Amino acid sequence: GEDVEQSLFLSVREGDSSVINCTYTDSSSTYLYWYKQEPGAGLQLLTYIFSNMDMKQDQRLTVLLNKKDKHLSLRIADTQTGDSAIYFCAESRNSGNTPLVFGKGTRLSVIA
Amino acid sequence: DAGITQSPRHKVTETGTPVTLRCHQTENHRYMYWYRQDPGHGLRLIHYSYGVKDTDKGEVSDGYSVSRSKTEDFLLTLESATSSQTSVYFCAISEQVAGPNYGYTFGSGTRLTVV
Repeated sequence: GEDVEQSLFLSVREGDSSVINCTYTDSSSTYLYWYKQEPGAGLQLLTYIFSNMDMKQDQRLTVLLNKKDKHLSLRIADTQTGDSAIYFCAESRNSGNTPLVFGKGTRLSVIA
Repeated sequence: DAGITQSPRHKVTETGTPVTLRCHQTENHRYMYWYRQDPGHGLRLIHYSYGVKDTDKGEVSDGYSVSRSKTEDFLLTLESATSSQTSVYFCAISEQVAGPNYGYTFGSGTRLTVV
């Protein structure tokens, strides 16, 4: 199937904002997700957004959704060293009737 | 994570041998999944289950089989391991296949090396 696209690496300075981008494939995707993977661990759900929303904010996290361009972004404000991890976006294709499809992941490195 | 465990955590096996990985959950979730994680490929679905004895193939199912005889256990078998199956394998569970508040809970992974 078509890939969910993400850039592979992002490096930011501590205290700056990080923006991780994702392009998904299915215009009927009802839910879109961001997961975080810390070294040696499984993925953890960070946040999700419904396709009928443009934006969702949760503390330091802001998710933006552009359905026309099938573009999803995750902004992390005041990035900390503990935010260093791999971030995956995921889409629920076929109107949510099939398992999530994940992107390749973006490795975020935070420089102190 | 509490509620889902994978075993073994690490395994080294020889080419051509059968290998079985186990995923065990205590959440009574209907859906269970096996993904593999490889550099440059991210996470790819191998097989998933939507109930006892109900399974379906994912994107990269060739060379793998699964079984789910009980709600809590989902087994992944490599019938004859090959070097291309060297990977980190993750099991995940969920109440629904997708939807609001239905995020997947992932296990800690099994690192499999085929020599």
